[in-house]
Amino acid sequence: DAGVIQSPRHEVTEMGQEVTLRCKPISGHNSLFWYRQTMMRGLELLIYFNNNVPIDDSGMPEDRFSAKMPNASFSTLKIQPSEPRDSAVYFCASSLAGASYEQYFGPGTRLTVT
Amino acid sequence: AQSVAQPEDQVNVAEGNPLTVKCTYSVSGNPYLFWYVQYPNRGLQFLLKYITGDNLVKGSYGFEAEFNKSQTSFHLKKPSALVSDSALYFCAVRDRDDKIIFGKGTRLHILP
Repeated sequence: DAGVIQSPRHEVTEMGQEVTLRCKPISGHNSLFWYRQTMMRGLELLIYFNNNVPIDDSGMPEDRFSAKMPNASFSTLKIQPSEPRDSAVYFCASSLAGASYEQYFGPGTRLTVT
Repeated sequence: AQSVAQPEDQVNVAEGNPLTVKCTYSVSGNPYLFWYVQYPNRGLQFLLKYITGDNLVKGSYGFEAEFNKSQTSFHLKKPSALVSDSALYFCAVRDRDDKIIFGKGTRLHILP
C-alpha cells in the first residue's frame, strides 16, 4: 500500500491567496483526520471525517478554513484567504474506523505564507 | 474534562540505558491509549496501543507500554535505548465521543 498521500509537500504563498491541500487516505480506511503542527501550538486536530461525513470540526480555527471529503479516497483542506499565522505543517491521517483504531499519517504539507 | 498529559518536554537517556516516557490521562469509561513517534520532517508513526487485556503492551522497535488503571498512566518504555530512538513521542487517548486527544509530545534524546 502507498500509505496516505498528501500534496503538495511544500507550498509557499502570499498573504491573501487561496491555498488548497490535498489528501488521499489509505484504501479501505473509513476515517480521515486533518492536523496542524507548529512549534508554538504543537499538534492540533482540525477536523475529523467518518465515512466522508465531518464528525468533529471544533478544531477548525475560523471561517477561513474549510474541509471537504467528496468521496472515500479524497479530501481537501482549503484556506481562503491565507495569513502568515497559518504557516505550519499540515498532516492528513486515516484510520480503519474512527479514533479507536491507530492512525496512519501522511508526510505532511509544509505551508509558508509570506 | 478528558485530557492526556506528558509531563516532560524532554527526556535525556544514555545509549544502552532503559528509557521511560511518561503519559497520564483523564477520560471517562475504558480508555483506548496510543503511542506515536515522529522523526524529523516526517508524519507520526504508530508504535503501540492498549484497548483491553494485558496491561503490558508490546509494539514496534522494541518499545512497550504499561497500562496502570489506578494511576491512570500509560508510560512508554524500552529496556535499552538506541541513538536512533531519538525523536518526538506523542501519547494519545480516545475519549468517550470517539475523538482523539494527543499530548503535547516529549522529545527524547539518546546520548551516545
